[in-house]
Amino acid sequence: GENVEQHPSTLSVQEGDSAVIKCTYSDSASNYFPWYKQELGKGPQLIIDIRSNVGEKKDQRIAVTLNKTAKHFSLHITETQPEDSAVYFCAACSTDSWGKLQFGAGTQVVVTP
Amino acid sequence: DTEVTQTPKHLVMGMTNKKSLKCEQHMGHRAMYWYKQKAKKPPELMFVYSYEKLSINESVPSRFSPECPNSSLLNLHLHALQPEDSALYLCASSQTRDRGDEKLFFGSGTQLSVL
Repeated sequence: GENVEQHPSTLSVQEGDSAVIKCTYSDSASNYFPWYKQELGKGPQLIIDIRSNVGEKKDQRIAVTLNKTAKHFSLHITETQPEDSAVYFCAACSTDSWGKLQFGAGTQVVVTP
Repeated sequence: DTEVTQTPKHLVMGMTNKKSLKCEQHMGHRAMYWYKQKAKKPPELMFVYSYEKLSINESVPSRFSPECPNSSLLNLHLHALQPEDSALYLCASSQTRDRGDEKLFFGSGTQLSVL
């Protein structure tokens, strides 16, 4: 089955700096890669996703890149703000896996003013 | 309305109790999910309902019993739980699960403590 590795496990950045979180996946059949943000006391919220036919996607300060050959994808947050502090999960799945997302272990991001 | 509503937010139960968790969405989604999340870990899939029928059971112990009374509601009935079942239980929904890449919308969860 699919295995997703996520690094780093914790990330501390100064407000205004950029943050990058990297994930690798094992199943070459995976074709959908969402990113979720989970704030304390809340459920995960989808912040951006990318499909395997696209190499990069951007939404304001957030971007995701996908390298299918290397089987890795990354989340980039620019101009970080204190409200970006949260746990971020990457995930992967394939249409063959019937929507069963395989999550990475998560990255605790702390943005210090 | 893009919300998935879960009740209760917190639940404490003894190992001999029977309780139920409830989940509701009014987005017209036809796929609903139960996830379990331990502290500092990612969510783990438990059950998936598609068009009100159970389509995935991730080998969950029978002390957890899901129910989907209609397309908007999802319940999780709990009986004879163990302390290790203490966790955040998350409900999620998606438009369908026909393609495997539909966006999942999560509720805020029920924090369950089993004493």
